[in-house]
Amino acid sequence: ETGVTQSPTHLIKTRGQQVTLRCSSQSGHNTVSWYQQALGQGPQFIFQYYREEENGRGNFPPRFSGLQFPNYSSELNVNALELDDSALYLCASSLGPGGANYGYTFGSGTRLTVV
Amino acid sequence: EDKVVQSPLSLVVHEGDTVTLNCSYEVTNFRSLLWYKQEKKAPTFLFMLTSSGIEKKSGRLSSILDKKELFSILNITATQTGDSAVYLCAVEIDGRDDKIIFGKGTRLHILP
Repeated sequence: ETGVTQSPTHLIKTRGQQVTLRCSSQSGHNTVSWYQQALGQGPQFIFQYYREEENGRGNFPPRFSGLQFPNYSSELNVNALELDDSALYLCASSLGPGGANYGYTFGSGTRLTVV
Repeated sequence: EDKVVQSPLSLVVHEGDTVTLNCSYEVTNFRSLLWYKQEKKAPTFLFMLTSSGIEKKSGRLSSILDKKELFSILNITATQTGDSAVYLCAVEIDGRDDKIIFGKGTRLHILP
């Protein structure tokens, strides 16, 4: 059973709205990475947070933003939702920003549908 | 642009068959190659490969990396219906963050 918890599991939003997705990292993990997985595609890196600061970012517009809290849980916020934002959003936590060596563990994701 | 290409995109075989899934990559700063199995939502880790020519094995699954030709294969022998899933290949980029570039995956369906 995965130690990374994401909420909610499913969400339906209207175009133009804003959404917040949440991720609780595995115990002892201080690094959280977020991915977007569109239907039939592999996950795409959005950004990573390490010790409450953004530590790297993929090719996503500024309306995708995030936070990491002192307990290392994290939020992904998306403003001005577009239909193409419909996807499975995955969170992965690790012991540090040192890569898969540090036990990269995925959560079960949040399925976001924008209508 | 960094990219990871998997083939085939989908595969249907009968239980007991052996399958080979392919992954090629072009990235600027390679750190490792990863294989994941995704059944419903959360990808689960299978292998991490960093050195060429060294086979990693776990039960009926095995994988090998060729850093000269920039590809990896994942073999599954004596397939079972429980092997039905999407298999994701990913390359970890050596940099400040843990950026991982995923392929589109191979959707494997095992017929009983």
